[in-house]
Amino acid sequence: EAGVTQSPTHLIKTRGQQATLRCSPISGHTSVYWYQQALGLGLQFLLWYDEGEERNRGNFPPRFSGRQFPNYSSELNVNALELEDSALYLCASSLPGESKNIQYFGAGTRLSVL
Amino acid sequence: AQRVTQPEKLLSVFKGAPVELKCNYSYSGSPELFWYVQYSRQRLQLLLRHISRESIKGFTADLNKGETSFHLKKPFAQEEDSAMYYCALSFTGTASKLTFGTGTRLQVTL
Repeated sequence: EAGVTQSPTHLIKTRGQQATLRCSPISGHTSVYWYQQALGLGLQFLLWYDEGEERNRGNFPPRFSGRQFPNYSSELNVNALELEDSALYLCASSLPGESKNIQYFGAGTRLSVL
Repeated sequence: AQRVTQPEKLLSVFKGAPVELKCNYSYSGSPELFWYVQYSRQRLQLLLRHISRESIKGFTADLNKGETSFHLKKPFAQEEDSAMYYCALSFTGTASKLTFGTGTRLQVTL
């Protein structure tokens, strides 16, 4: 069974540009979560999508946004990039129902903002 | 607001020694607690979930609601246990975000 896949692996952008990160969940998983892992700050929750709807967002500015497609894959968009957006962005997915709380993580996209 | 605290950034133990990775949490409701592990060059993966009360790779963790703790323990450390360990909290029974601690790097030396 394929795990959560994220693309690209690495992304280099300059300040002010936009970045788009992609995530494909495990087959059958309907929820997708995005986390930011910045150096020294640990894993911070960004966004949660379930059945195409945004269910919750973390304490991040509105320039962090995303969406979930009908096939449950997801995009994270970061507009007007700032240097401090440089981080590893992790996507996770979970099953519907009672096992919803077990999240399976992708390998991440490393975003570097120059 | 929920919070997870892992007081140690690095824990270094000798092979065969007992291991205890500390995790304390604050949450007003009934939490679900997890331990995630990240081995070198691998993705973050679930190690333990308090609801399942199982032992994985010799590790156990007991939820102590009185002390609001969920410490991870193993009686005899192995070299392959060296990794980054994250304690995480979620709401019980439903899908929701995970709130992570800052992680503890466990280093097992010979």
